[in-house]
Amino acid sequence: NAGVTQTPKFQVLKTGQSMTLQCAQDMNHEYMSWYRQDPGMGLRLIHYSVGAGITDQGEVPNGYNVSRSTTEDFPLRLLSAAPSQTSVYFCASSSGAPNTGELFFGEGSRLTVL
Amino acid sequence: GENVEQHPSTLSVQEGDSAVIKCTYSDSASNYFPWYKQELGKRPQLIIDIRSNVGEKKDQRIAVTLNKTAKHFSLHITETQPEDSAVYFCAASRPGRRALTFGSGTRLQVQP
Repeated sequence: NAGVTQTPKFQVLKTGQSMTLQCAQDMNHEYMSWYRQDPGMGLRLIHYSVGAGITDQGEVPNGYNVSRSTTEDFPLRLLSAAPSQTSVYFCASSSGAPNTGELFFGEGSRLTVL
Repeated sequence: GENVEQHPSTLSVQEGDSAVIKCTYSDSASNYFPWYKQELGKRPQLIIDIRSNVGEKKDQRIAVTLNKTAKHFSLHITETQPEDSAVYFCAASRPGRRALTFGSGTRLQVQP
């Protein structure tokens, strides 16, 4: 099992560019989520999904879109990158709701917006 | 919504000493409290969790305590080792809420 796989690991963008962070899991988890990690602010939830075709907003959704067409994949799209989106992004999945057990994280994607 | 506060933000101890990290939460309905460890440049990983029907849980050198009345929970690491150096995050969630709320993290440094 590869677990949760994120690509790319590093990305540099210019302000206004768009891009997609990819996330895939091979554990047949229904729940998937995206967090961003900024110094001194912990992990903040961007968007989450409880199953294919179902997504919802988290704490900091502005500037990001998601979709969930399959159980395995949960891409995060930045529509028009801004310097405030410079961060480390983590995808995470779990077999049930977050209050039922472990969240499995990907290795992270470090994004710099110039 | 839920708010989780974590203290201290940094903690330095000598190898062999104990370390304690504290978190408070705001939603009295929260019933699940995990702790994640993130080594430098790595992904967060679950190290221990506790549910609201339990007051304390231990796993070798780590333990978590929960005080529901005061709405706070703590991570205790005994006999610290250099490999315990990492950032530790507490989190909280409640039934029906489809998200974990994380604290801001504690950077623990264990000096050899």
